[in-house]
Amino acid sequence: AQKVTQAQTEISVVEKEDVTLDCVYETRDTTYYLFWYKQPPSGELVFLIRRNSFDEQNEISGRYSWNFQKSTSSFNFTITASQVVDSAVYFCALSPIIQGAQKLVFGQGTRLTINP
Amino acid sequence: DTGVSQDPRHKITKRGQNVTFRCDPISEHNRLYWYRQTLGQGPEFLTYFQNEAQLEKSRLLSDRFSAERPKGSFSTLEIQRTEQGDSAMYLCASSVLGGSNEKLFFGSGTQLSVL
Repeated sequence: AQKVTQAQTEISVVEKEDVTLDCVYETRDTTYYLFWYKQPPSGELVFLIRRNSFDEQNEISGRYSWNFQKSTSSFNFTITASQVVDSAVYFCALSPIIQGAQKLVFGQGTRLTINP
Repeated sequence: DTGVSQDPRHKITKRGQNVTFRCDPISEHNRLYWYRQTLGQGPEFLTYFQNEAQLEKSRLLSDRFSAERPKGSFSTLEIQRTEQGDSAMYLCASSVLGGSNEKLFFGSGTQLSVL
């Protein structure tokens, strides 16, 4: 069975602080995808990143960075110099690679509040 | 607007009634997914279509639930004899099959409240 755990239910920081959202996953598959999605109050899930299990290179996109460590089954997400617009619920997700179909297994989400 | 569109945004119904939701995917997207999200939880996979074929259904999808995508474009999700436990946000997503960059584009969802 596949499982994603986001232990941090809620995080609140002051604007411009750096913040890391933790994600730990469980799977028996040897190949899989990992994702992060952002869900603002409007409800629409916004894709942030997808990583293949065989690609452990960390990635940086502007103020966002992701640290994938297969040895600890973790895929953590860091926002540098946070801004109020970053306030949202963030989901980590896992998907087997089966004919490309993305049957995502989501974590419970972390509600991030950035205070001015 | 070229995103995934869902209708209605909100639906309030009484227990025992039938409800139907509609999803219009992004044009040319041949895969369409339905997910359900309850308060404080992440979305859960329900079913997906490739063109008009329904290729997989989660065991979460009881016999009261049925989804269709008759012409490989829009999709409907019907819940018969609704129960209070069906109250949730129903999310639709679409994607283009294949390619290393395949990703899901989600709609804003239909919030169902069963009284």
